Amino acid sequence: EAGVAQSPRYKIIEKRQSVAFWCNPISGHATLYWYQQILGQGPKLLIQFQNNGVVDDSQLPKDRFSAERLKGVDSTLKIQPAKLEDSAVYLCASSIRRDGYNEQFFGPGTRLTVL
Amino acid sequence: LAKTTQPISMDSYEGQEVNITCSHNNIATNDYITWYQQFPSQGPRFIIQGYKTKVTNEVASLFIPADRKSSTLSLPRVSLSDTAVYYCLVGPRGGAGSYQLTFGKGTKLSVIP
Repeated sequence: EAGVAQSPRYKIIEKRQSVAFWCNPISGHATLYWYQQILGQGPKLLIQFQNNGVVDDSQLPKDRFSAERLKGVDSTLKIQPAKLEDSAVYLCASSIRRDGYNEQFFGPGTRLTVL
Repeated sequence: LAKTTQPISMDSYEGQEVNITCSHNNIATNDYITWYQQFPSQGPRFIIQGYKTKVTNEVASLFIPADRKSSTLSLPRVSLSDTAVYYCLVGPRGGAGSYQLTFGKGTKLSVIP
């Protein structure tokens, strides 16, 4: 089966600019996650969707970050305006419940560099 | 969620067995132990999950003592392609909508030829 797709793979912007990332989850996966991974650290959950509804966005910096999953499939994550500390890899994951466990499948990520 | 502690890095020669231990003193009764693997420039990938005693799959084994305050991921006969960061996670196995993964810094395993 096809994996989680993300685009672009790399993005370089200047601070105060806007940027958007796109994610296409594995077909049939109702749950979608966005993570931020800063160099040398583990991924940190930003937001979790169940179909097109938000389950948890408690760690999303809502003053500058937004995310949507309008039709319960694809999702976009936006940063406006970007700060230097937003430089990181943004990972999208989707999950399906299997044997009682929500195994998450991750995409390759988008590496964002803010100058 | 229970906090986990694991070594920052480990080195191993090819062909050796590698054991990575994770401490989770505050593990709750309904918590499972899950390990993910992350190669450079890729997202993490599920390796193995267990609740108690021993679990084995085609990739690794997971040993969990009776008190469940620690666990050991065992990789048999590692090769250069096993060079990656390994994350130990502890948490509920997963309800329909709210299961989340909380990653620490992981253990960076370097396999040497």
